[in-house]
Amino acid sequence: DGGITQSPKYLFRKEGQNVTLSCEQNLNHDAMYWYRQDPGQGLRLIYYSQIVNDFQKGDIAEGYSVSREKKESFPLTVTSAQKNPTAFYLCASSILHPTSGSSGSYEQYFGPGTRLTVT
Amino acid sequence: SQQGEEDPQALSIQEGENATMNCSYKTSINNLQWYRQNSGRGLVHLILIRSNEREKHSGRLRVTLDTSKKSSSLLITASRAADTASYFCATDEASGSARQLTFGSGTQLTVLP
Repeated sequence: DGGITQSPKYLFRKEGQNVTLSCEQNLNHDAMYWYRQDPGQGLRLIYYSQIVNDFQKGDIAEGYSVSREKKESFPLTVTSAQKNPTAFYLCASSILHPTSGSSGSYEQYFGPGTRLTVT
Repeated sequence: SQQGEEDPQALSIQEGENATMNCSYKTSINNLQWYRQNSGRGLVHLILIRSNEREKHSGRLRVTLDTSKKSSSLLITASRAADTASYFCATDEASGSARQLTFGSGTQLTVLP
């Protein structure tokens, strides 16, 4: 059963604590992404990775950190420096190398999301 | 910054009617994608249209792309209650990283039985 999983589904933390969100995929995708979604809003890119041991900041990376030690895993840490951490966090993955004749981005496969509440 | 913006923000129709959602964007793109999100869930890819394509079909979905107007539309024909969801367009800038997508704020579609 191939897919992308995130855990936990709901997470509650006290202000000032770091928290790590898990994202695992068995689709053999090279690229992985983390997005943040606030109520009634679209997705904003936090970090993305195209290859193991390499990752790039997205539009809203401040207060977040990631690692990519394995192709299958891309955990996100929400640090105490993130001013408004309460949000819905979505992980996604996609293929990286284009097929012949194609260009641009590719379909992203999303996990079910983790809803983080910080009080 | 938001590259794609959907219109309308919310749409309510009767089952069996067609639903049309629009997306406008600012810069040149490689392709445009449409995604669906059920409440509290992850996004599901619906369709991808490349910048050199004008129209694409997939089942009850029809997507058009007008690069001169920097806009796209998603038409869902013969809607069903199960189509109730938020729909997002996503673009990748032709001059930027081809691996990044920029999502709009979405259209909330409600299909009434």
